[in-house]
Amino acid sequence: EVQLVESGGGLVKPGGSLRLSCAASGFAFSTAWMSWVRQAPGKGLEWVGRIKSKTDGGTTEYAAPVKGRFTISRDDSKNTLYVQMNSLKTEDTAVYYCTAIATGYFHRWGQGTLVTVSS
Amino acid sequence: QSALTQPRSVSGSPGQSVTISCTGTSSDVGGYNYVSWYQQHPDKAPKLMIYDVSKRPSGVPDRFSGSKSGNTASLTISGLLAEDEADYYCCSYAGGPYVFGTGTKVTVL
Repeated sequence: EVQLVESGGGLVKPGGSLRLSCAASGFAFSTAWMSWVRQAPGKGLEWVGRIKSKTDGGTTEYAAPVKGRFTISRDDSKNTLYVQMNSLKTEDTAVYYCTAIATGYFHRWGQGTLVTVSS
Repeated sequence: QSALTQPRSVSGSPGQSVTISCTGTSSDVGGYNYVSWYQQHPDKAPKLMIYDVSKRPSGVPDRFSGSKSGNTASLTISGLLAEDEADYYCCSYAGGPYVFGTGTKVTVL
């Protein structure tokens, strides 16, 4: 069974940092493209960024609101996806979902982890 | 990249059909056949319902169908059931980034 389990969410002050993790199982993580999608309370879905598999170059791409502040990485030996979030703003408050990407769509989703940025 | 435009809400009685539109631009919806649709029940993770404009993943009922014309994609739910009441989001690949729709609440009367 495919599973994506996020962790690392919590309360952080504006300007602070947080690292989220996503433990993957049940599929070939090392060859999968992965992504983070977030959802602010009561709002819609927003793509955050994605990382290709290492065999496809391992490159990353980010949405404009997080570019330069967020860094997505992966450890294929641990089947784990990460996002390092720096210089956090109140508008980054959201549930963060880890997703597996196939060409053009998100076919597996974790249950999400809540990040609250507040003083 | 602006969010794709969806109606805020649509409703229908059990057994009826509803259609949700998703309007973008030639840089996203109109430029690629990579439109997908997601169903989200309250406090749950989104679930893939349609991908590549009109394909259904295994396990998704054939009551759900997708189409596209120009810069507008559509999701049709036929034979509406109570369990279809949820939020629905479209999404399009945009040549690098992905852009989601604003979301539509489907209410079963």
